[in-house]
Amino acid sequence: DTGVSQDPRHKITKRGQNVTFRCDPISEHNRLYWYRQTLGQGPEFLTYFQNEAQLEKSRLLSDRFSAERPKGSFSTLEIQRTEQGDSAMYLCASSFQGVNYGYTFGSGTRLTVV
Amino acid sequence: QQQVKQSPQSLIVQKGGISIINCAYENTAFDYFPWYQQFPGKGPALLIAIRPDVSEKKEGRFTISFNKSAKQFSLHIMDSQPGDSATYFCAATLSGNTPLVFGKGTRLSVIA
Repeated sequence: DTGVSQDPRHKITKRGQNVTFRCDPISEHNRLYWYRQTLGQGPEFLTYFQNEAQLEKSRLLSDRFSAERPKGSFSTLEIQRTEQGDSAMYLCASSFQGVNYGYTFGSGTRLTVV
Repeated sequence: QQQVKQSPQSLIVQKGGISIINCAYENTAFDYFPWYQQFPGKGPALLIAIRPDVSEKKEGRFTISFNKSAKQFSLHIMDSQPGDSATYFCAATLSGNTPLVFGKGTRLSVIA
């Protein structure tokens, strides 16, 4: 297992376009998280899944954002009608529910909206 | 409302010195406090973590000190090396049943 994989690494899009990011978690991890990180800030929680169920969504997650985790494996995060304020690093992390609460993060997808 | 407050924002330390980063939390129900290390272009990586039933945890050159009554915890990096230059984030969660909340980060530079 090579860890958490995110694709693409970089995405440049024009304002108003839709974008979709993919995350492949560590295979035995049942929880998957999406965070957003802007320059000079810590990661901010967006949403998370336990298996295929989306358990929590942050108020940061406007209705332009949607996430899925079909079959409890990989996940996608879609942003519709992108805005310049959406420019950020989108981080995916996975963990196994249990005693150890540490997350394994991917390297992120850097989104630039022009 | 920021649940975890981290300081300082940036830190410059001489090689071989001790780096100290502090965090304060508000929610007394938090019971797991990890520190993450992030290099440019990479995601955060778990460095060390502590639970409130102990006051200190040490792993190699990295030590977490925890003060439950003050609701504070800190990361100490002994014998700091240039390779430690990175951004460090503290975080907290409630038994893993709430998503990790992160501090704003400390950018550490270790100079020779």
